Amino acid sequence: EADIYQTPRYLVIGTGKKITLECSQTMGHDKMYWYQQDPGMELHLIHYSYGVNSTEKGDLSSESTVSRIRTEHFPLTLESARPSHTSQYLCASSDTREQETQYFGPGTRLLVL
Amino acid sequence: SQKIEQNSEALNIQEGKTATLTCNYTNYSPAYLQWYRQDPGRGPVFLLLIRENEKEKRKERLKVTFDTTLKQSLFHITASQPADSATYLCALDFTGGGNKLTFGTGTQLKVEL
Repeated sequence: EADIYQTPRYLVIGTGKKITLECSQTMGHDKMYWYQQDPGMELHLIHYSYGVNSTEKGDLSSESTVSRIRTEHFPLTLESARPSHTSQYLCASSDTREQETQYFGPGTRLLVL
Repeated sequence: SQKIEQNSEALNIQEGKTATLTCNYTNYSPAYLQWYRQDPGRGPVFLLLIRENEKEKRKERLKVTFDTTLKQSLFHITASQPADSATYLCALDFTGGGNKLTFGTGTQLKVEL
């Protein structure tokens, strides 16, 4: 079982609200990622980080933002949630010394009304 | 652009048989290819990684092959069990080592008694 945690697991929120999805890992991994996945669809990388104070946008454009102030913490923020943001958000981490295996958290299922 | 294709139709097999899943990709050949398992409502779990200079990799009942000429990987589960029922994802890093993975849509496997 990977030591990577996401909270909340489920979130139902109204349009226009600001939300932060939390992701933490205790493995000391330098790389962290956020993916978005709709039901039955592939994962899309929306943000990644190669270390503290390093963040980049992924292949799928997203209105969310991320920060990496501490190695173990990689929160994702939506300033103003919209129904189009409804999806599952998966956080992952990896360590170059472990053959680039990515360890995933359980995900946050977001529903914006 | 880089594309990964996996069988979109679910694969149903009988317990004890060998399941074979296919992953095809276009254009640039990656340095390595990974297979993950995803259960409903959960994050993917890493299974196997195979590098471009490896033809075959095994782990218990799992076997992966990688043919860079055909641009194809095959994933085999021998002596399949109902507990193997899940969606299996193929993932490649087309960035040449940055570990930004592109995932296929996955193939759903159902093992019946």
